[in-house]
Amino acid sequence: DAKTTQPPSMDCAEGRAANLPCNHSTISGNEYVYWYRQIHSQGPQYIIHGLKNNETNEMASLIITEDRKSSTLILPHATLRDTAVYYCIVRLTGYQKVTFGTGTKLQVIP
Amino acid sequence: DAGVIQSPRHEVTEMGQEVTLRCKLISGHNSLFWYRQTMMRGLELLIYFNNNVPIDDSGMPEDRFSAKMPNASFSTLKIQPSEPRDSAVYFCASSSTDRPQHFGDGTRLSIL
Repeated sequence: DAKTTQPPSMDCAEGRAANLPCNHSTISGNEYVYWYRQIHSQGPQYIIHGLKNNETNEMASLIITEDRKSSTLILPHATLRDTAVYYCIVRLTGYQKVTFGTGTKLQVIP
Repeated sequence: DAGVIQSPRHEVTEMGQEVTLRCKLISGHNSLFWYRQTMMRGLELLIYFNNNVPIDDSGMPEDRFSAKMPNASFSTLKIQPSEPRDSAVYFCASSSTDRPQHFGDGTRLSIL
């Protein structure tokens, strides 16, 4: 798996968009970008994933740069319940194993 | 639909005792993952199965740890004998091939 780099922590005001960056400069063409989050005391929760196109679902949007070396997870209107550790992971197509790094601790502030 | 179900949610036991953690997969999923999470080491993959067959157990700490899938919907992780350094939160996750993993709520294990 390619390695990812994320800032250790970020703050975001409640109601504002939270933009969480991830660097994956060694990603290969058949590796997807996945995002999970872990709210305190719970198991990690899948958010979104993509290969090269931008993706959006009910939880978030994923913007992947054209060269695929970085991506941004966007929570359009952050709430206090979005306070969590967010993990960016790259995963090889057809390969089940993934490695969780240290993630970004997002604190949503009232 | 029910998610991944782990039991027990909390376990406190004395050093040397056998510990058995249980996991029920989401119906239709064919891959099963066991993780361990500590403050020091973060979230580590211990072992994963595909179609009931162990594929990668390189994360299993030592021979005291063993995992099985007696059927397609159920798995156990055993620690025998347990040691204080095994104290952690243990997560189970399941998925279908090439789909996201879904995690259970974890078992918080304390070895005294």
